[in-house]
Amino acid sequence: QSVLTQPPSASGTPGQGVTISCSGSSSNIGSNTVNWYQQLPGTAPKPLIYSSNQRPSGVPDRFSGSKSGTSASLAISGLQSDDEADYYCAAWDDSLNGYVFGTGTKVTVL
Amino acid sequence: EVQLVESGGGLVQPGGSLRVSCAASGFSVSSNYMNWVRQAPGKGLEWVSVIYTGGSTRYGDSVKGRFTISRDNSKNTLYLQMNSLRTEDTAVYYCARDPAGATFGDAFDIWGQGTMVTVSS
Repeated sequence: QSVLTQPPSASGTPGQGVTISCSGSSSNIGSNTVNWYQQLPGTAPKPLIYSSNQRPSGVPDRFSGSKSGTSASLAISGLQSDDEADYYCAAWDDSLNGYVFGTGTKVTVL
Repeated sequence: EVQLVESGGGLVQPGGSLRVSCAASGFSVSSNYMNWVRQAPGKGLEWVSVIYTGGSTRYGDSVKGRFTISRDNSKNTLYLQMNSLRTEDTAVYYCARDPAGATFGDAFDIWGQGTMVTVSS
């Protein structure tokens, strides 16, 4: 069972923006940085955001991350068809002494 | 080229054992935190285990006592020994690198393509 909660789905039309939430607790998001991963259909996950709000090189600035207290968010602006994927938040959990992933959000471009 | 390639997946009966491997190229497994992450069919990602540069290890609660992570520095390869397998262990198993430096936080920057493990009678 995931300890980080995300909405199961989000959608928007091309050009619109969507925001995905990730709710945790004091032992994970509240005390550690958050990472976001994108998983395109049939492929391995790839890093999208690290240290809560940093983009790896090559990731478009349409993707942005933020964190406040025990929650985090991923914002995608200017939706494109290529953005259709599953998105996962993740963080280290000090109580579990392990890495935890969110429940995942499927983004659909209408 | 920096990459990870998993192998060793397959069909195994409940209660059986299997070892999956992850060969690294372009970097040293011993200089990074190396992880296993799994994904059951149609489900989300689940962290399984990590081995740190110093050799210490951590496991998720669902596999603790049954799975063992290790590495062979001479072969630059990561392993996951899975014993007492259950049907709920059926998943694609990915290895992933945490570069363990300030430049990437604690995110996993390189992932393998995954290897499928099916536990069924």
